[in-house]
Amino acid sequence: GAVVSQHPSRVICKSGTSVKIECRSLDFQATTMFWYRQFPKKSLMLMATSNEGSKATYEQGVEKDKFLINHASLTLSTLTVTSAHPEDSSFYICSAPGIDGETQYFGPGTRLLVL
Amino acid sequence: AQSVTQLGSHVSVSEGALVLLRCNYSSSVPPYLFWYVQYPNQGLQLLLKYTTGATLVKGINGFEAEFKKSETSFHLTKPSAHMSDAAEYFCAVSDGSGNTGKLIFGQGTTLQVKP
Repeated sequence: GAVVSQHPSRVICKSGTSVKIECRSLDFQATTMFWYRQFPKKSLMLMATSNEGSKATYEQGVEKDKFLINHASLTLSTLTVTSAHPEDSSFYICSAPGIDGETQYFGPGTRLLVL
Repeated sequence: AQSVTQLGSHVSVSEGALVLLRCNYSSSVPPYLFWYVQYPNQGLQLLLKYTTGATLVKGINGFEAEFKKSETSFHLTKPSAHMSDAAEYFCAVSDGSGNTGKLIFGQGTTLQVKP
């Protein structure tokens, strides 16, 4: 089946530092991946669409300079949280569409805590 | 714009009882509808989906959902709850852009199963 991995699963960093989160499609290629953010006890909010070979598309209200997205290959997208602040603490989840183009496969998520 | 409403942020049932999680959507185009389950500190796992065709769809773990266009609903059911069903459940709709990666999620429903 289609498997999406994320690394790291959990990260703690100091305020002002940058953190990179990786999203990989393990057994399939993905020209598009998606990044979501989930606050505690809340639903998932789409942050941006990661496009292989081109710029990411950000949702309204998401700071592109704060959340840098790079789709380096057909199996890897990275989300870098720059100059992290405590309010950036959250659960970040990526997804990639399967071969049928209809179903999204989600990574296990990355828990970010900014101190 | 599309939206999803899940009625009841918290549902509690006894083991062996019927599970009913409600989802209503709004969409200006024929929707693709999804139910995902999330266990603590994990990503989302697809339970089932409706795209076209048969309106009653069966998913994993004994869950099923029926697409009712007239009621704009896509309620999730399971005849007999197991303890292992305790989790967070999300209903989602594709945003109608033709890009099914851009999912609009409901607020989520926490399912508690009592012994």
